[in-house]
Amino acid sequence: DIQMTQFPSSLSAFVGDRVTITCRASQSIRSYLNWYHQKPGKAPKLLIYAASRLQSGVPSRFTGSGSGTDFTLTISSLQPEDFGTYYCQQTFSTPPYSFGQGTKLEIK
Amino acid sequence: QVQLVQSGAEVKKPGASVKVSCKASGYPFTDYFLHWVRQAPGQGPEWMGWINPNRGGTNFAQNFQGRVTMTRDTSISTAYLELSRLRSDDTAIYYCVREKSIIEVGTWFDPWGQGTLVTVSS
Repeated sequence: DIQMTQFPSSLSAFVGDRVTITCRASQSIRSYLNWYHQKPGKAPKLLIYAASRLQSGVPSRFTGSGSGTDFTLTISSLQPEDFGTYYCQQTFSTPPYSFGQGTKLEIK
Repeated sequence: QVQLVQSGAEVKKPGASVKVSCKASGYPFTDYFLHWVRQAPGQGPEWMGWINPNRGGTNFAQNFQGRVTMTRDTSISTAYLELSRLRSDDTAIYYCVREKSIIEVGTWFDPWGQGTLVTVSS
């Protein structure tokens, strides 16, 4: 099975900051990488699919990049509503479609 | 709009079974695979398996083989997850999610149902 590792596991930043979250796959997954955002008590919501494609309705301050084993999610200017936990997911190898363990983002 | 609406919270005793429903609306039910994902308290999501609503075919994660059943009723656009021989570590929120897939681009999950909390406790 492909293992997904995210780092950092948590971070705290100010509104307006540029934030970067990293996800690493245990083997190449080409660009079969998605990012989700989850707020407490809510279901995850798709942000980025296929490593860099922005889901419709998602603000352009979110960008995804990478291919192979290393991927990043960048928030160019952090907003108060961006708090929560971010998860990466690989869909290259099935089953299972594994997720990272999450990065918890807090607003200072 | 595309929507997945799940059944309500359940409390079960160890060894029992639970059945969760997921009603789809806003799109042709048989055109998209549906997946089930669970999330234990404080943990990341865990993929459980998928069902092809068109033909009823299924594929499960190895962790759940022998305990999980996924079915659907196309007449009411509803998918079901049944998990048997429940243990305390099955306590989690269970989500149904729709798969979207484009060849040579990728596969992703959108939207997600609102989740169903299953609590296993004696």
